[in-house]
Amino acid sequence: GNSVTQMEGPVTLSEEAFLTINCTYTATGYPSLFWYVQYPGEGLQLLLKATKADDKGSNKGFEATYRKETTSFHLEKGSVQVSDSAVYFCALSYGGATNKLIFGTGTLLAVQP
Amino acid sequence: DTGVSQDPRHKITKRGQNVTFRCDPISEHNRLYWYRQTLGQGPEFLTYFQNEAQLEKSRLLSDRFSAERPKGSFSTLEIQRTEQGDSAMYLCASSLAGGANEQFFGPGTRLTVL
Repeated sequence: GNSVTQMEGPVTLSEEAFLTINCTYTATGYPSLFWYVQYPGEGLQLLLKATKADDKGSNKGFEATYRKETTSFHLEKGSVQVSDSAVYFCALSYGGATNKLIFGTGTLLAVQP
Repeated sequence: DTGVSQDPRHKITKRGQNVTFRCDPISEHNRLYWYRQTLGQGPEFLTYFQNEAQLEKSRLLSDRFSAERPKGSFSTLEIQRTEQGDSAMYLCASSLAGGANEQFFGPGTRLTVL
């Protein structure tokens, strides 16, 4: 079946460090890929998305590239801030009639000043 | 605020009781989704509405669960005869129809079954 696997957290970094959160997926066909973020006490928010192979999604300094050959969608940021501390979820969907999201387990990022 | 709203935000109930949650989507969104999130896990799809029609239900949605979306606006999720295993965060999301449109999530209803 379709699934998403994320690296386990927590990930603890110092401010201005480089961030990578790994995400790989198992799916038939060509899903769309997403990163959602959940800040403390808030609902899930879409961070970025990519809808086809080699697309790069980007937002707020975060980037992820849809790699079909490695079935990956790793999240990166060059210099994290304390305000980036949150739980990050990788997800896929097939759009179409339902467009339901299939999520990974989430990765907690803690950025220390 | 024109985002997705959910009510209540927290619900504590005793095993065997019935509970009902409400979701108000963004007004122009015709798609509405319910997900369930347990501690340490990502959200899992429960069910989906396009306008008032419930078009898909997950196997996670046992016969104790029922969802409605009368008139294609707000939605309710009812759990009958709650069990401790039902304790979770119940998330609602809405989107426009078509393609990989962004789903906007509400803050969730946290259910605790004692």
